Amino acid sequence: DIQMTQSPSSLSASVGDRVTITCQASHDISDYLNWYQQKPGKAPKLLIFDASNLETGVPSRFSGSGSGTYFTFIITSLQPEDIATYYCQQYDDLPYTFGRGTKLEI
Amino acid sequence: QVQLQESGPGLVKPSQTLSLTCIVSGGSITDANYYWSWIRQSAGKGLEWIGRMSASGSIDYNPSLASRVTMSRDTPKNQFSLRLTSVTATDTAMYYCARGVSGRKLINWFDPWGRGTLVTVSS
Repeated sequence: DIQMTQSPSSLSASVGDRVTITCQASHDISDYLNWYQQKPGKAPKLLIFDASNLETGVPSRFSGSGSGTYFTFIITSLQPEDIATYYCQQYDDLPYTFGRGTKLEI
Repeated sequence: QVQLQESGPGLVKPSQTLSLTCIVSGGSITDANYYWSWIRQSAGKGLEWIGRMSASGSIDYNPSLASRVTMSRDTPKNQFSLRLTSVTATDTAMYYCARGVSGRKLINWFDPWGRGTLVTVSS
């Protein structure tokens, strides 16, 4: 299985801060990586696909980059509604695997 | 707008079989552009992909669960199902069904997801 190592596991930030989350794959996965947001009591929601493409309707303060084994997810100006847990997920090979998540707190 | 809704018992006894159904509305499970998956989330293992079913009915399972998992579908009812046998406490999780969107790979991403159903394994 491809292991996805996400860091940090939790992060405390303030409104307006720039937030950076990283995800490292155990194998080269090209850009076959997605980012999801999960709010408490809700299902994960797709934010970014193919490492850097913003899903329709997602605010432009969210962005992603990277390829190969190292990926970055950035929120340029944190808003109160961004409080959630964020997950990376690879789809290069079966089984699909997810990072353990980054819990964002204000 | 496609929507998915999981249903099934919230409590299953150890060694018994967990059975869940995902009802799909607003889209067809036979649409060749999509796959249909089960994903679970537990405190111990995080998000874990269980399996996928294509529009034609072909199925792939996570090897870690393959010996205990069966996916099936009822196309007239536009729903698909999950059976997990010989459950233990480690199978306690929130179970989600999700649509897999095809593109460069058979599944590129999962969107949307159902709201999830909590299954607890306990006597």
